[in-house]
Amino acid sequence: DQQVKQNSPSLSVQEGRISILNCDYTNSMFDYFLWYKKYPAEGPTFLISISSIKDKNEDGRFTVFLNKSAKHLSLHIVPSQPGDSAVYFCAAPNRDDKIIFGKGTRLHILP
Amino acid sequence: NAGVMQNPRHLVRRRGQEARLRCSPMKGHSHVYWYRQLPEEGLKFMVYLQKENIIDESGMPKERFSAEFPKEGPSILRIQQVVRGDSAAYFCASSPGLGTEAFFGQGTRLTVV
Repeated sequence: DQQVKQNSPSLSVQEGRISILNCDYTNSMFDYFLWYKKYPAEGPTFLISISSIKDKNEDGRFTVFLNKSAKHLSLHIVPSQPGDSAVYFCAAPNRDDKIIFGKGTRLHILP
Repeated sequence: NAGVMQNPRHLVRRRGQEARLRCSPMKGHSHVYWYRQLPEEGLKFMVYLQKENIIDESGMPKERFSAEFPKEGPSILRIQQVVRGDSAAYFCASSPGLGTEAFFGQGTRLTVV
């Protein structure tokens, strides 16, 4: 049972435009969500998080939106830059603190 | 404050040998997670440990794989009698728990020849 789903394996966006990465979840008990960014041959790095008591969290060019009724969150990157090309993972810790990851979305920023 | 340290970064083993992957969590972190990434796939959960305890090993293959997080020292992921299909990148992460984010090491790339 995949509790965290990223249905788009890849996404291509023009440099300077907005990148929107989507994530859906099935477990209504999740109360904290995480986004990680991963470059090839490196470990994932924590990017931004959001608590379920909020519907938006912003950090520079990165904003995460949470729609609890739809069990959906999205990561917005604006403006997109070449260095944003990476794989992005959506994740959530369950009640036992086990972090459940989505399968990731590979973002390509086009020049 | 050093990050999560994994060693070795690269490990080559012949089929049938043992592989030992080490992970030192960040200072103050008592929760350790191991994930495996196969080529062209996402991060697959393997095991979640707290000091001296395995909390969840539902992602670990039933045979040949084991993990520990002793009171002193790093967490160890051990793979006995490696096969070619074990070739992957193995990532360790640590967190202080309480539903917060985890921080990842750089990974160990295991190649079985």
